[in-house]
Amino acid sequence: GAVVSQHPSWVICKSGTSVKIECRSLDFQATTMFWYRQFPKQSLMLMATSNEGSKATYEQGVEKDKFLINHASLTLSTLTVTSAHPEDSSFYICSQDRGNQPQHFGDGTRLSIL
Amino acid sequence: DQQVKQNSPSLSVQEGRISILNCDYTNSMFDYFLWYKKYPAEGPTFLISISSIKDKNEDGRFTVFLNKSAKHLSLHIVPSQPGDSAVYFCAARGANSKLTFGKGITLSVRP
Repeated sequence: GAVVSQHPSWVICKSGTSVKIECRSLDFQATTMFWYRQFPKQSLMLMATSNEGSKATYEQGVEKDKFLINHASLTLSTLTVTSAHPEDSSFYICSQDRGNQPQHFGDGTRLSIL
Repeated sequence: DQQVKQNSPSLSVQEGRISILNCDYTNSMFDYFLWYKKYPAEGPTFLISISSIKDKNEDGRFTVFLNKSAKHLSLHIVPSQPGDSAVYFCAARGANSKLTFGKGITLSVRP
C-alpha cells in the first residue's frame, strides 16, 4: 500500500488564492521530505527539502516566500503556495527521504489556477 | 543545463520483445541511480536501482546496466508486457539524497 499520502489530489482556484498541500509519511517518521514540481512533458524538479523542526532549504530559483513549507511533525509536511497565479499551475509531488533506500512519492497534487 | 538526460521521448515495442530505455548523466558525483515508473495523475513508483559501484542489477523482468565511464545507464525490460506501458523516469542521487530526474520516456507496449 501507499506509504506517502498527499492531499488534495486536485485543486482549482482563483488567482490570488493561497493553497495548502499536505504530505503525510505513513510508514515511518520522516525527518526529511522533498517537494517537487512537474510541468507538462518536463522532468520532476526539486523545489525544496523539508526538514522536521527546522527551516526548509530551497533550490536555486524557488521563492521561499512564495512556497511556504512547514514540517512540524515527523509525519507531516505542508507546502503552501501563497497568492497563487496561473504560472504556478503545475503538478506538485512530495517524497520521503528514506536514507539509503529509494524515495517513495505521494500521488501528487494537480494545481490549476484560473 | 540538464544533468540527467533521456533523449528519446517515446518508445514503442511489441509485447514479448525487449524494451531498452536509455539515460545519460553528466555529474560524476552521482552515487546511486534509480528508475521510476509513472502513470498519469499519480506519483512515480520505484522500479529498480543501481549503486555507482555496480554495473548491473537484475530484478525479475527488469535489469539496469550502468556504464560509469560513458556516464550511461539503461533499463531493460524483457519480456515486455502491455501493463508496462507508462512513463519511465531515470533519476540520479547526489548530495543530501537529492534526486535529479530526466524528462522521462513514454513506453508503449503493443499487444
